[in-house]
Amino acid sequence: GIQVEQSPPDLILQEGANSTLRCNFSDSVNNLQWFHQNPWGQLINLFYIPSGTKQNGRLSATTVATERYSLLYISSSQTTDSGVYFCAVDPIYNQGGKLIFGQGTELSVKP
Amino acid sequence: DAGVTQSPTHLIKTRGQQVTLRCSPKSGHDTVSWYQQALGQGPQFIFQYYEEEERQRGNFPDRFSGHQFPNYSSELNVNALLLGDSALYLCASSLVRGEETQYFGPGTRLLVL
Repeated sequence: GIQVEQSPPDLILQEGANSTLRCNFSDSVNNLQWFHQNPWGQLINLFYIPSGTKQNGRLSATTVATERYSLLYISSSQTTDSGVYFCAVDPIYNQGGKLIFGQGTELSVKP
Repeated sequence: DAGVTQSPTHLIKTRGQQVTLRCSPKSGHDTVSWYQQALGQGPQFIFQYYEEEERQRGNFPDRFSGHQFPNYSSELNVNALLLGDSALYLCASSLVRGEETQYFGPGTRLLVL
């Protein structure tokens, strides 16, 4: 099956710093989503981005489908950005809707 | 516009018991998927329901079963609970059999003693 690898596994930042999270996947996908999981376990949608670039405030994401990777950029980080960031993909060989998650990047933003 | 809701929020069971978790999808969504998230891991797909039928299934034993009702809400049932079933169970809803953005509920934390 498809492999989804996220890097780095852990990241510690000072408030105000910028960061880039990476997601590599081993096969073609119909769908790619980025999520932020808060300390209470809620998965919050950040981006639906099977290809191209999107921006939402301090966050932006780019997916290069032909090279099978996606990047999540966080600028001017805040302590509320802390948590685990997951990349999830829906492989093209599935019927649709079966998201395969990476292991996540745990981000800690210090004041 | 109500998002995805799940109940209960927390549950404690003992080995061998059975449990039922419930999910109501986001308004207008017709597809519900269930995921299991063990501590420190990414969520793993259990199964997906569309038009009251199981459409896709992940690598989970038959002890895990589900149901979707005509109003699109769904239940996840787990029989003969094992200690290893302790996890956060997440429900996600979407349109068009999951080919669009999936939205997740807050989850149910299950502890099996």
